[in-house]
Amino acid sequence: KAGVTQTPRYLIKTRGQQVTLSCSPISGHRSVSWYQQTPGQGLQFLFEYFSETQRNKGNFPGRFSGRQFSNSRSEMNVSTLELGDSALYLCASQDSMNTEAFFGQGTRLTVV
Amino acid sequence: QKEVEQDPGPLSVPEGAIVSLNCTYSNSAFQYFMWYRQYSRKGPELLMYTYSSGNKEDGRFTAQVDKSSKYISLFIRDSQPSDSATYLCAMTYTDKLIFGTGTRLQVFP
Repeated sequence: KAGVTQTPRYLIKTRGQQVTLSCSPISGHRSVSWYQQTPGQGLQFLFEYFSETQRNKGNFPGRFSGRQFSNSRSEMNVSTLELGDSALYLCASQDSMNTEAFFGQGTRLTVV
Repeated sequence: QKEVEQDPGPLSVPEGAIVSLNCTYSNSAFQYFMWYRQYSRKGPELLMYTYSSGNKEDGRFTAQVDKSSKYISLFIRDSQPSDSATYLCAMTYTDKLIFGTGTRLQVFP
């Protein structure tokens, strides 16, 4: 069974640009969650999608958005990038809530 | 106050030592408890998953949950240099999965 796939692995963007990250969950998993990981804050929850609907949202500004497609693949978008958005963005897929979350390797975003 | 508190470390131990990693939490609604291991430049991988108070053992790893004290622990016996990583506790209820900030562990030969 293939794992969670995130693309791209690395990105360098300049302030003010926008970026789109992609996540393909484990086959059959309908829940996809996104996290931002930084050395100071740890793993912070961005949002979670289930069957194309956003079920939960963390405390991030509206510049952070996401969506999920009918095949459960998910994208997250960050507009008007700021230096503080530099982080490892992780995607996790779950069969349903309260089951194990399986993570991708992440996309490391650097904003310069 | 954060819902989940975890000592960030770093923790440095010699090979063969017993390691104890701990998290406390404030929300008694948490029902499921997990430990993840994250190597540098990798995503977290699930180590242990439990939902009841008590101990759960898997090889050199033991997860302990004390719901009355709102405290969970991960013990690593006979630690190896390959155990050097960041360990994250996580807990969930209904539709929320909350992580601790992670403890960085270094096991030296």
